[in-house]
Amino acid sequence: AQSVAQPEDQVNVAEGNPLTVKCTYSVSGNPYLFWYVQYPNRGLQFLLKYITGDNLVKGSYGFEAEFNKSQTSFHLKKPSALVSDSALYFCAVREASTGGFKTIFGAGTRLFVKA
Amino acid sequence: NAGVTQTPKFRVLKTGQSMTLLCAQDMNHEYMYWYRQDPGMGLRLIHYSVGEGTTAKGEVPDGYNVSRLKKQNFLLGLESAAPSQTSVYFCASRQQSSGNTIYFGEGSWLTVV
Repeated sequence: AQSVAQPEDQVNVAEGNPLTVKCTYSVSGNPYLFWYVQYPNRGLQFLLKYITGDNLVKGSYGFEAEFNKSQTSFHLKKPSALVSDSALYFCAVREASTGGFKTIFGAGTRLFVKA
Repeated sequence: NAGVTQTPKFRVLKTGQSMTLLCAQDMNHEYMYWYRQDPGMGLRLIHYSVGEGTTAKGEVPDGYNVSRLKKQNFLLGLESAAPSQTSVYFCASRQQSSGNTIYFGEGSWLTVV
């Protein structure tokens, strides 16, 4: 069965500092991995995904994530945080097979960037 | 660009009442999903559909039914609402190819009193 763990309920960072939001996953077979962001009272917006190829994936708004197969991790990073990055972030995993219909989401990590 | 549209956006139900949430997508996506979002639990998959006329159970299907009579629509029904179904419901869709991104609606806030 697929599962996703986001070990931190909240991450606090000062504006201008680098940020990391952690994600680990479990899936039988190869994974497709995703990060989404949710602003208050809105739906989830796609940030980036890992399908295959380069382990470092770049996405929207200056975010990037690194796929680490040995550690089964897909941490979200940004070199310099902005106050406007404050939001709820979700990691998600899908099994990379023809039967991979379901995408499973983590519990979410709230990012708070202080000015 | 409509994308994924959910109606209604807000609803208050009494225990035991029934209702249907409607999801419509205009992207010609084959796969559609219903998730619920609860504090501290993230998004949990209720039901999903891989094509017109097909549905399947997700992680938390009990108390819900779904139908996909048309490719563009995916309906979520609550036959007898319970307070435990108070949640925010999100519909989503994607293309069939397994690496494709899921696109979400804006959510439906449901309160059962």
